[in-house]
Amino acid sequence: GAGVSQSPSNKVTEKGKDVELRCDPISGHTALYWYRQSLGQGLEFLIYFQGNSAPDKSGLPSDRFSAERTGGSVSTLTIQRTQQEDSAVYLCASSYGGHTYGYTFGSGTRLTVV
Amino acid sequence: AQSVTQLGSHVSVSEGALVLLRCNYSSSVPPYLFWYVQYPNQGLQLLLKYTTGATLVKGINGFEAEFKKSETSFHLTKPSAHMSDAAEYFCAVSPPNSGGYQKVTFGTGTKLQVIP
Repeated sequence: GAGVSQSPSNKVTEKGKDVELRCDPISGHTALYWYRQSLGQGLEFLIYFQGNSAPDKSGLPSDRFSAERTGGSVSTLTIQRTQQEDSAVYLCASSYGGHTYGYTFGSGTRLTVV
Repeated sequence: AQSVTQLGSHVSVSEGALVLLRCNYSSSVPPYLFWYVQYPNQGLQLLLKYTTGATLVKGINGFEAEFKKSETSFHLTKPSAHMSDAAEYFCAVSPPNSGGYQKVTFGTGTKLQVIP
């Protein structure tokens, strides 16, 4: 596609429920990244994909968080048993090759856990 | 380890005035440096980057930044602010690209307000 697409744009969920966030990167971008942006905080790195594998998942905050990527394209970030502290904007980015070219970000999914 | 510090979470300037957003970095090797801009309800957009070569880099929308190794700084400037420049700006740092993956670390952001 022309840009990085994320869905849903907004998600309100009850504490304890599972949520899935989707990212559709730019066609041909082999690298995909998930970041979390909390109010007043910078961007917190979550996970990096190269193709379908995740060489760096060091930023996932707990085992409630998982992500996968299929076909070298779409990625899904899953949060199980959501907690209020999970409320944030989840940003996906993709890049062609390494970071030298800069990242192209999606508009994010705003997750609110009530 | 690498880190980036943005001085001032909020900056206000008058329309037509100089914009100066400060970024200092910490890196054990000569870094790559980036500035991104985020408009409300949008993702981040790359403004400019420094990798190697000329230390003064020009980006989109009239912004530029200068890599100063002696000061470990990469401040973002624009000679004359426009109302449309109101947004949040993020500085980012990474080790140089050695052909493999390198993690990019983002600052906490500076919100720029432009006063008419």
